[in-house]
Amino acid sequence: GAGVSQTPSNKVTEKGKYVELRCDPISGHTALYWYRQSLGQGPEFLIYFQGTGAADDSGLPNDRFFAVRPEGSVSTLKIQRTERGDSAVYLCASSFSGDTQYFGPGTRLTVL
Amino acid sequence: EDQVTQSPEALRLQEGESSSLNCSYTVSGLRGLFWYRQDPGKGPEFLFTLYSAGEEKEKERLKATLTKKESFLHITAPKPEDSATYLCAVQAVKVQGGGTASKLTFGTGTRLQVTL
Repeated sequence: GAGVSQTPSNKVTEKGKYVELRCDPISGHTALYWYRQSLGQGPEFLIYFQGTGAADDSGLPNDRFFAVRPEGSVSTLKIQRTERGDSAVYLCASSFSGDTQYFGPGTRLTVL
Repeated sequence: EDQVTQSPEALRLQEGESSSLNCSYTVSGLRGLFWYRQDPGKGPEFLFTLYSAGEEKEKERLKATLTKKESFLHITAPKPEDSATYLCAVQAVKVQGGGTASKLTFGTGTRLQVTL
């Protein structure tokens, strides 16, 4: 079946701009996670949704980062006033009720 | 705070030369330990979940084992197509808050290169 999909695959933006990254989870998966991965590092947790609500947003680095999942399926990660330090690969994962997390291919964000 | 340390950072093997990757962890209460494979430019691909000390799982040339403090990923007679970064992650038992599970805490990975 279809895996987790993320769009766009690449995003280049200028410092100070607003960006949205989209994640389509595996059909039927109730949990959705966002991670951020810098070069040479493992993925770092940002936020976790169970259904429509954010069950844990402790990994969001500051209030410029926000994520939504209004219908319990697709999620959007929103970054305001982007900074060069936000450049990374943003990974989305989904799971069925907290079991194994399956990852998408990621969105590579570059802030110039 | 949950922590995961992987060693070595990089490993170069010849085809057929078996070896092991190490993952040491500290976690408040282990719900599961996960191994993923990541190819350049792609997302992590799930390999194994281990839940309790003494558990072992195998898939083709890979075997994962778990103790109370560490996990090993054994690679037997590797082939060039096994070249990738191998990531280890732990998931803690959730004690409060919403949802039924929690985040993964990852190590920095072991970059494996298998040459002919």
